[in-house]
Amino acid sequence: DADVTQTPRNRITKTGKRIMLECSQTKGHDRMYWYRQDPGLGLQLIYYSFDVKDINKGEISDGYSVSRQAQAKFSLSLESAIPNQTALYFCATSDHREEVDTQYFGPGTRLTVL
Amino acid sequence: GEDVEQSLFLSVREGDSSVINCTYTDSSSTYLYWYKQEPGAGLQLLTYIFSNMDMKQDQRLTVLLNKKDKHLSLRIADTQTGDSAIYFCAESASGGSYIPTFGRGTSLIVHP
Repeated sequence: DADVTQTPRNRITKTGKRIMLECSQTKGHDRMYWYRQDPGLGLQLIYYSFDVKDINKGEISDGYSVSRQAQAKFSLSLESAIPNQTALYFCATSDHREEVDTQYFGPGTRLTVL
Repeated sequence: GEDVEQSLFLSVREGDSSVINCTYTDSSSTYLYWYKQEPGAGLQLLTYIFSNMDMKQDQRLTVLLNKKDKHLSLRIADTQTGDSAIYFCAESASGGSYIPTFGRGTSLIVHP
């Protein structure tokens, strides 16, 4: 079984709809992240959480919100989706106790906003 | 802020060596990474190097770091079609809580 899972894997929605993307991990890591990937733009950090009570904005948090429901779960919400939020979204985890802060990525959610 | 730059595409013939280059701006970078993204998948750490090292070799992979010029490279020897993927350079530092800053990714295309 995958260590970092994301649901759904694909989603098509309409402008103005509220969307939630979910991420779960079985690695026991304390840190979790949400990234957005656009072709040719690499990965941009949306939000990150260093533990259940710690939530921080990344470089492109506008239009997004997150919830860390438990150490293993970190969800990303688009309150009112717009077409330029069409992208590939990745959840990642890391463990601050590791010597090198390796990020472990989920398989991604492809979101299309019409 | 920190910036990581890499070229977007590289095409090589199977069996040749591939060299993917990256430059970064943060002089306080502690760790430098190479991640690989295969089609339809998330990123996976390929290798990393500490900023106090010049070179790291791991089987077909060689990482070279020129800290003075802030230049990182990844050499893949005997490139195979299975190496076709997007390769991301990334750096992290204590000032950024070790959250990596990623480059835009280099698409490596290996043709027969």
